[in-house]
Amino acid sequence: DIQMTQSPSSLSASVGDRVTITCQASQDISNYLNWYQQKPGKAPKLLIYDASNLETGVPSRFSGSGSGTDFTFTISSLQPEDIATYYCQQYDNLPRRTFGQGTKVEIK
Amino acid sequence: QVQLVESGGGLVKPGGSLRLSCAASGFTFSDYYMSWIRQAPGKGLEWVSYISSSGSTIYYADSVKGRFTISRDNAKNSLYLQMNSLRAEDTAVYYCARDGGYCSSTSCYNWFDPWGQGTLVTVSS
Repeated sequence: DIQMTQSPSSLSASVGDRVTITCQASQDISNYLNWYQQKPGKAPKLLIYDASNLETGVPSRFSGSGSGTDFTFTISSLQPEDIATYYCQQYDNLPRRTFGQGTKVEIK
Repeated sequence: QVQLVESGGGLVKPGGSLRLSCAASGFTFSDYYMSWIRQAPGKGLEWVSYISSSGSTIYYADSVKGRFTISRDNAKNSLYLQMNSLRAEDTAVYYCARDGGYCSSTSCYNWFDPWGQGTLVTVSS
C-alpha cells in the first residue's frame, strides 16, 4: 500500500495565522490527493480534491498544492471554526486508498 | 439532502459477529459505488471495503479480508457490512461513505463524500 506521512501531527496557532500542513506519499501519486476536515465527534468532510481543487462551498481560505510525492495544505487565516483534525488521502491506488495519520489544529 | 445513516454497532465479544447497515437518501443510490471506512479510538482513518454500484465488484483491506463481507440492496437504498470473527483491533467507529468521482479528458478524480455519522463497534470480553 502507498504510505502517506503528514506533518506536523499537531499544531497550535493564533486566530488569523497562516497554517501549513504537509503530506508526503511513499511513491509518485501524481495529483491524486484529497484533504478532509474532521471536527471533534463528527465525520470527515471533503475539502480539497485532486490536490488543489476546492470542493463547492468550502471557504477560500483553504487551499492545497503539490504533485508527485509532496503536497501542502494551507489555511490562509485561521478561524476558530477551523479547529479540527485534517487528513490527506491518496487515490492513486484504487480502490486501496490510504490516509495520512492526521494533523490536529488547535487555537493558541 | 444527501444523507447516510449507519446503524448496527455495539459491544461484541472477540470471535463474535455483527452486521452494520447504512441507509442512503437524497441521491440515486444505485448509481454510486460505496465504501466502509473505520477509525479506531483516537486514531486515523482506514479504508475497509468497497462495492461497485451493481455489487458485482468488491474489494477488502487485507486486515479484514476473509472475515468481513460487504453487500448492498439497491431496492432498499442500503449498504451492509457483515463482520465475523471479530477481534479487539476491529474496535472502531465505522463510517459508510459515497465513493464518488469522475473522469475528464485529462484525469480522473475520486473522493469519499459524503460520510455518515458513524456507528461504534466495540470488541471486548
